[in-house]
Amino acid sequence: GENVEQHPSTLSVQEGDSAVIKCTYSDSASNYFPWYKQELGKRPQLIIDIRSNVGEKKDQRIAVTLNKTAKHFSLHITETQPEDSAVYFCAASDQGATNKLIFGTGTLLAVQP
Amino acid sequence: EAGVTQFPSHSVIEKGQTVTLRCDPISGHDNLYWYRRVMGKEIKFLLHFVKESKQDESGMPNNRFLAERTGGTYSTLKVQPAELEDSGVYFCASITTGIGNSPLHFGNGTRLTVT
Repeated sequence: GENVEQHPSTLSVQEGDSAVIKCTYSDSASNYFPWYKQELGKRPQLIIDIRSNVGEKKDQRIAVTLNKTAKHFSLHITETQPEDSAVYFCAASDQGATNKLIFGTGTLLAVQP
Repeated sequence: EAGVTQFPSHSVIEKGQTVTLRCDPISGHDNLYWYRRVMGKEIKFLLHFVKESKQDESGMPNNRFLAERTGGTYSTLKVQPAELEDSGVYFCASITTGIGNSPLHFGNGTRLTVT
């Protein structure tokens, strides 16, 4: 089955700096890769996603890149702000019959003001 | 629209006791998922309902866990008898169509502590 690895587990940056979180996946059939942000005590919320027919997608300060050959994808946050502090999860899905998401272990991002 | 609702938000029980978690998906969402996050680990898939039918229950840890979705509306997840390793946050999520076509909506989760 699919396995998703995520690094780093914790990341501390200064406000205004960039943050990069990386994930690798094992199943070449996976074709959908969302990123979720979970603030303390709240529900995970989708912040950006990418499909396998696209190499990069950007939404304001957030971007995701996908390298299908290497089976890895990354989240890039520019001009970080304290409200970006949260746990970020990557995930992968083959959008098959179950449509289940396989998640990474999460990255705790702390943006220091 | 109302979001995915889960209750209780917290539950503390002793080993050997029974606990039932409830999830109310977004109205009209046929697909309902249960996930669990153990401290510091991934959000792990438990099972998937399509309406009242179990589409995939490959992630259920063992037969102490029983999920139901009578009538294809709300779902319950019962743990009986609970063990220490069952502690974690249990998330429910729903979606109307396939993943990738629309976002997966999560509930706030139920934090289960087994002592």
